[in-house]
Amino acid sequence: GAGVSQSPSNKVTEKGKDVELRCDPISGHTALYWYRQSLGQGLEFLIYFQGNSAPDKSGLPSDRFSAERTGGSVSTLTIQRTQQEDSAVYLCASSLKAASTYFGPGTRLTVL
Amino acid sequence: AQKVTQAQTEISVVEKEDVTLDCVYETRDTTYYLFWYKQPPSGELVFLIRRNSFDEQNEISGRYSWNFQKSTSSFNFTITASQVVDSAVYFCALSLGSGSRLTFGEGTQLTVNP
Repeated sequence: GAGVSQSPSNKVTEKGKDVELRCDPISGHTALYWYRQSLGQGLEFLIYFQGNSAPDKSGLPSDRFSAERTGGSVSTLTIQRTQQEDSAVYLCASSLKAASTYFGPGTRLTVL
Repeated sequence: AQKVTQAQTEISVVEKEDVTLDCVYETRDTTYYLFWYKQPPSGELVFLIRRNSFDEQNEISGRYSWNFQKSTSSFNFTITASQVVDSAVYFCALSLGSGSRLTFGEGTQLTVNP
């Protein structure tokens, strides 16, 4: 079946602009995660959605970052007033509860 | 807090050599899951294996094998008869309980030379 998909695959923006990154999880997966991979920073957890529960936002680096998940499926990660340090690959992942986690191809964000 | 350590930053081998990637983890929880992911140059994280803390049986899948030892908090990954296509960054990760966030190690860059 289809895996986790993300769009766009690449995004170049200017400092100060807002961006939206989209994730389509594997159908039926109740858990959805956003991670960020920066050069030299490894893989960093951002936010986690599980079913109808309140999301775990503890990894969001600042209040410029937010995410929502509509209808328990598609998720959008929004970064407001982007800064150069936001440049990274943003990875989305999904899983069934207590099962293996599968990642999408990522969105490479470059903030000029 | 959880921590995963992959002490080997880079490993370089010649094709057909066996190679072991080390992973040491820290957690106070008794229920946890351990993972290995492969990240080839294309960038996508590819799931390789998931083990739970109650199952210490070693696992073999083709040329891949995993050695889970709770006594040393290690979950090492061995590639037998390595191939050039095995060249990638390999990440070890840990999660607690049911589908919680993954805590990743820093990754090991494996280069297999022909």
